[in-house]
Amino acid sequence: GESVGLHLPTLSVQEGDNSIINCAYSNSASDYFIWYKQESGKGPQFIIDIRSNMDKRQGQRVTVLLNKTVKHLSLQIAATQPGDSAVYFCAVSWGKFQFGAGTQVVVTP
Amino acid sequence: DAMVIQNPRYQVTQFGKPVTLSCSQTLNHNVMYWYQQKSSQAPKLLFHYYDKDFNNEADTPDNFQSRRPNTSFCFLDIRSPGLGDAAMYLCATSRDLAAIQYFGAGTRLSVL
Repeated sequence: GESVGLHLPTLSVQEGDNSIINCAYSNSASDYFIWYKQESGKGPQFIIDIRSNMDKRQGQRVTVLLNKTVKHLSLQIAATQPGDSAVYFCAVSWGKFQFGAGTQVVVTP
Repeated sequence: DAMVIQNPRYQVTQFGKPVTLSCSQTLNHNVMYWYQQKSSQAPKLLFHYYDKDFNNEADTPDNFQSRRPNTSFCFLDIRSPGLGDAAMYLCATSRDLAAIQYFGAGTRLSVL
């Protein structure tokens, strides 16, 4: 079956540094991609999305990069803050969404 | 203001005792989803409603049922909870399939 996975289960980053979270997918028909942030005890929260006709999209302190050739997307968080500590999921759609396994981001002082 | 509201936030039930979790939305979205999430794993889709049309995932156990009496409300019924059903249950809504899903805060279910 199709798979969606993240490259690292845990990412430790120092406050103020940039974070990069990666996600690989297998279905070449995937056309819509979303990053979610889930804080402890809460539901996933939408961060940013990108469609397959784009390769980069920027938000406030976040950037999503999409490489369709290698079926890879990444989320970059600039100047990581303690409030960015959470689990980050990519969700990939080819008509229906599939969530990746999640990366725990731990921000250290 | 919360747009997808789940009640209760925490639910404790006994092994085999039926339990119902509820979800309501103020977004007037067409699609409502129920996910099961264990530990920090990815949310696992159980089923969804597109308007009144129910769509069950192939690997969702028969023990899990759902009702959507109107656009705003959707219920998850677990007919005979087992210890393995202890998890966070997430409700989400979206305007359409393959659109952004908005999640509620979840209901943490414990089975004793």
